[in-house]
Amino acid sequence: AQSVTQLGSHVSVSEGALVLLRCNYSSSVPPYLFWYVQYPNQGLQLLLKYTSAATLVKGINGFEAEFKKSETSFHLTKPSAHMSDAAEYFCAVILSGTYKYTFGTGTRLKVLA
Amino acid sequence: GAGVSQSPSNKVTEKGKDVELRCDPISGHTALYWYRQSLGQGLEFLIYFQGNSAPDKSGLPSDRFSAERTGGSVSTLTIQRTQQEDSAVYLCASSLVPSPLNTGDATDTQYFGPGTRLTVL
Repeated sequence: AQSVTQLGSHVSVSEGALVLLRCNYSSSVPPYLFWYVQYPNQGLQLLLKYTSAATLVKGINGFEAEFKKSETSFHLTKPSAHMSDAAEYFCAVILSGTYKYTFGTGTRLKVLA
Repeated sequence: GAGVSQSPSNKVTEKGKDVELRCDPISGHTALYWYRQSLGQGLEFLIYFQGNSAPDKSGLPSDRFSAERTGGSVSTLTIQRTQQEDSAVYLCASSLVPSPLNTGDATDTQYFGPGTRLTVL
């Protein structure tokens, strides 16, 4: 069975600083990996996904993530944080040919002025 | 509307009462999913509908939980005899194509609604 671990339930960065949100997965077969963002009182919105094509995936709002098989990681980064990036971020994994996401517990990002 | 909608947005109920949560998926999406998001935890899969196939109910936590999808569109999640531990945000999602056609293409991305926050007193 697959699993996802997000290190750090809360992360604070200064506006303009690098954003790094960590995600490690466990899967017996190559999975598809996703990052979703959830703004207050809203549903989840897809930021980006890895589907076995390019290992560096670019998403919306300037975010990107790199799939590293050797490290079983899919960390989310953004070069310069903006106040509007404050939200909760979820990493998720799904196996090809299935439909059940396994989500991490989420990381709440706080951006300091 | 263009996205997945859910109603009500908030529901407060007393322990022991039944509640119904509604989900309207994106028009044309054949697959529909329910998840539960509890405080401090990730999202927990509850149930999956695909067309006229029998739903996958493997994630339902107890027999107090049930769901139906009428006409391949709107879905209702029902919780009977609610308990305090049922308090959570219930999220619905839909996708254009289901398993086993998951190719990672945009068409099988799951689109989430805003959720229903359920509070059981």
